[in-house]
Amino acid sequence: SQTIHQWPATLVQPVGSPLSLECTVEGTSNPNLYWYRQAAGRGLQLLFYSVGIGQISSEVPQNLSASRPQDRQFILSSKKLLLSDSGFYLCASITVNEQFFGPGTRLTVL
Amino acid sequence: DQQVKQNSPSLSVQEGRISILNCDYTNSMFDYFLWYKKYPAEGPTFLISISSIKDKNEDGRFTVFLNKSAKHLSLHIVPSQPGDSAVYFCAASATGDDKIIFGKGTRLHILP
Repeated sequence: SQTIHQWPATLVQPVGSPLSLECTVEGTSNPNLYWYRQAAGRGLQLLFYSVGIGQISSEVPQNLSASRPQDRQFILSSKKLLLSDSGFYLCASITVNEQFFGPGTRLTVL
Repeated sequence: DQQVKQNSPSLSVQEGRISILNCDYTNSMFDYFLWYKKYPAEGPTFLISISSIKDKNEDGRFTVFLNKSAKHLSLHIVPSQPGDSAVYFCAASATGDDKIIFGKGTRLHILP
């Protein structure tokens, strides 16, 4: 069984500051990794997904970027945070038959 | 464009009664559907799924019904229990595409 680690659990950042959220996966190799965001009234919005090292697909235009430097590491970043970036960020390892979600990071941008 | 729609943001149901959560989808390529339960500040927990070759799948208190012609599915919880109070997400995917698209969720309140 896979385990998804995310950190930090909570983060409060000022507008305009940079962001780096890290996700690591145990218990599998070559996972398909996803970043979702849950914001008020938006449900779980797919932000990025990656099928392998260096392969990133973006679902929505936004202020964020993602990178996959290692097979089991997925990083969500921003150079300058906006108020609208506040939300609950979830990393996931997903196939149709199995879905594993991390514990999430609550980001508040002030 | 919302491909998976949950039009009820919230639902209140008396304990012991049936909870019915609805979901509509627009993408006819979707052929696998999932329901997740989510508590605040936690990741979603998988509940039940259904393939488009079926119209019903049952697991304990949870039953999912799929109406392909109407592009509609529903989750029935019976009997509803206090621990069922959570946000429920409907999700869908298409064969050959591992992406799972979620709806906005419905907050279920089970009343004592």
